[in-house]
Amino acid sequence: KQEVTQIPAALSVPEGENLVLNCSFTDSAIYNLQWFRQDPGKGLTSLLLIQSSQREQTSGRLNASLDKSSGRSTLYIAASQPGDSATYLCTPNSGYSTLTFGKGTMLLVSP
Amino acid sequence: KAGVTQTPRYLIKTRGQQVTLSCSPISGHRSVSWYQQTPGQGLQFLFEYFSETQRNKGNFPGRFSGRQFSNSRSEMNVSTLELGDSALYLCASSFGGLAGNEQYFGPGTRLTVT
Repeated sequence: KQEVTQIPAALSVPEGENLVLNCSFTDSAIYNLQWFRQDPGKGLTSLLLIQSSQREQTSGRLNASLDKSSGRSTLYIAASQPGDSATYLCTPNSGYSTLTFGKGTMLLVSP
Repeated sequence: KAGVTQTPRYLIKTRGQQVTLSCSPISGHRSVSWYQQTPGQGLQFLFEYFSETQRNKGNFPGRFSGRQFSNSRSEMNVSTLELGDSALYLCASSFGGLAGNEQYFGPGTRLTVT
């Protein structure tokens, strides 16, 4: 059974800092890993999808890396902004459409 | 293209009642998955439908059921509501391939049981 752990659980930083969010998972037999953000009371917004054959994926100020064999992924956020404040969730996909989520990292970026 | 839509967005029900939630996937997507999100348990998988068939099911009681129509729209039903069913219910759609296609989530339905 897949288990997902995200560290830290919460993070508070001033605007402009570079951040690293960590995600670890127990079953390395995955096809891909997806990062989402969730604003309070809202649905999930897809940020990045990184395939198991890839090492990195970039979108704007976001960069995700994946080390499938060790069961780890990191999300790097450059030059953080107050609009980045949200909960960030990672989910490894072991096939089909059944996703397992951790508790996420709650990020607060202050002006 | 239009995203995943969920209706209604908010619901208030009384214990013992039943409720039906609806999810319309992105055009061309054949898989719809449902998730329950609560502060205590986080996001938990309920079930997934692909081409009108339930393909996967999470660890929820039989009071939770669903179905999918030929146009890929899906409904989720909860019977005999309990206070603990209060949650944000999210659906996600994808092409549904074995290799795990990218998932797109709707805005959710906030269910409050009193």
